[in-house]
Amino acid sequence: DIQLTQSPSSLSASVGDRVIITCRASETIRTSLNWYQQKPGKAPKLLIFGASTLKSPVPSRFSGGGSGTDFTLTISSLQPDDFASYYCQQVYTFPLTFGGGTKVDIK
Amino acid sequence: QVRLVQSGAEVKKPGASVRVSCQASGYTFSAYYIHWVRQAPGQGPEWMGWINPDSGVTNLAQKFQGRVTLTGDPSTTTAFMDLSSLESDDTALYFCARPSPDGYSFLDYWGQGTLVTVS
Repeated sequence: DIQLTQSPSSLSASVGDRVIITCRASETIRTSLNWYQQKPGKAPKLLIFGASTLKSPVPSRFSGGGSGTDFTLTISSLQPDDFASYYCQQVYTFPLTFGGGTKVDIK
Repeated sequence: QVRLVQSGAEVKKPGASVRVSCQASGYTFSAYYIHWVRQAPGQGPEWMGWINPDSGVTNLAQKFQGRVTLTGDPSTTTAFMDLSSLESDDTALYFCARPSPDGYSFLDYWGQGTLVTVS
């Protein structure tokens, strides 16, 4: 199975900060990577698919990049609604797998 | 609009089985796979498998083969996930999700989740 390692596992940030989350795959997955946002007790919400395509109507402050084994999710200016957990997911091969998550909380 | 509505919370004893349902609306049920994902407390999501409701073909993660059965009923636009031989490690929030048209590239509509507690 392809392992996805996210870093950091948690971070504290302020409104307006630029936040970068990384996801590293155990083998190449080309650009078959998605990012989800999840709030406590709720279902994950798709933010980005294909490594860099923003799901409409996700705000443009979210962006994704990378290919092969190394990927990033960037929030250009953190907003109050963005405090949540973020997960990467690979869809290159079955079984589909998720990263361990990054929790973003208020500094 | 696309909606996936799941059945309510369950409490089961070890060794028992559980069925979680997922009723779809707002789209042609047979035209999209349904995926199942679970999330244990404090953990990341874990993909369990998918079903093609049109053909009944399923694809399960190896970990769940022999213990999970996925079915779909087009007449009621409902998908079902049956999990047998429950253990405490099966305590989790279980989600159904509708994927992209190709069946697997992303999961863009999700049910609200069903909490299964094994105790």
